[in-house]
Amino acid sequence: EVQLAQSGAEVKKPGESLKISCEASGYSFTRDWIAWVRQMPGKGLEWVGIINPSDSETRYSQSFQGQVTISVDKAINTASLQWSSLKASDTAMYYCARQLVAANAFDIWGQGTMVTVSS
Amino acid sequence: SYVLTQPPSVSVAPGQTARITCGGNNIGTKSVHWYQQKPGQAPVLVLYDDSDRPSGIPERFSGSNSGNTATLTISRVEAGDEADYYCQLWHTNDHWVFGGGTKLTVL
Repeated sequence: EVQLAQSGAEVKKPGESLKISCEASGYSFTRDWIAWVRQMPGKGLEWVGIINPSDSETRYSQSFQGQVTISVDKAINTASLQWSSLKASDTAMYYCARQLVAANAFDIWGQGTMVTVSS
Repeated sequence: SYVLTQPPSVSVAPGQTARITCGGNNIGTKSVHWYQQKPGQAPVLVLYDDSDRPSGIPERFSGSNSGNTATLTISRVEAGDEADYYCQLWHTNDHWVFGGGTKLTVL
């Protein structure tokens, strides 16, 4: 079964760093791009960025460029999203999702990681 | 930046047909995808490339796209269809863009 399993919920203070992860299973990890999507409490979906696990080519939404870093570790079939200095406004659910091979849609989603940033 | 506009809410009685629109400039020239998100759950892809259904999605879900409006149509609506629905597309400058979402209420 194709799955994306995300790391657990995090509670952090402003200014702290954080890295959340998304482990793929059930398919060839390097074949398909992996995206990250933010959903702030009670709000809609926002595309954060996307990475090609094969060569680590990365693209970011202009809204998130410079604010987060997306990376992969092919050895453990895992994509990651990280912050160097969190802000309260980073509080949200973050989903990873696989890009469908034949279309620019996301066909498999992780269960989400809730990130709470509060002093 | 490219903007996708959805109605905040749509209501329909069980057994009737729900239509959820997604407006965008010349959206008919682009491929539109639709996601269903139930409370507390991750989104699920229900249509891609305007009208193709992923495996496991009922035939009751269909789509169309022309001019400045794409439409998700849900026939014979069931209580279990109650959810938020998001349209999405890929745009050259903005990459992946989502609509604001529509809450479907089954009366």
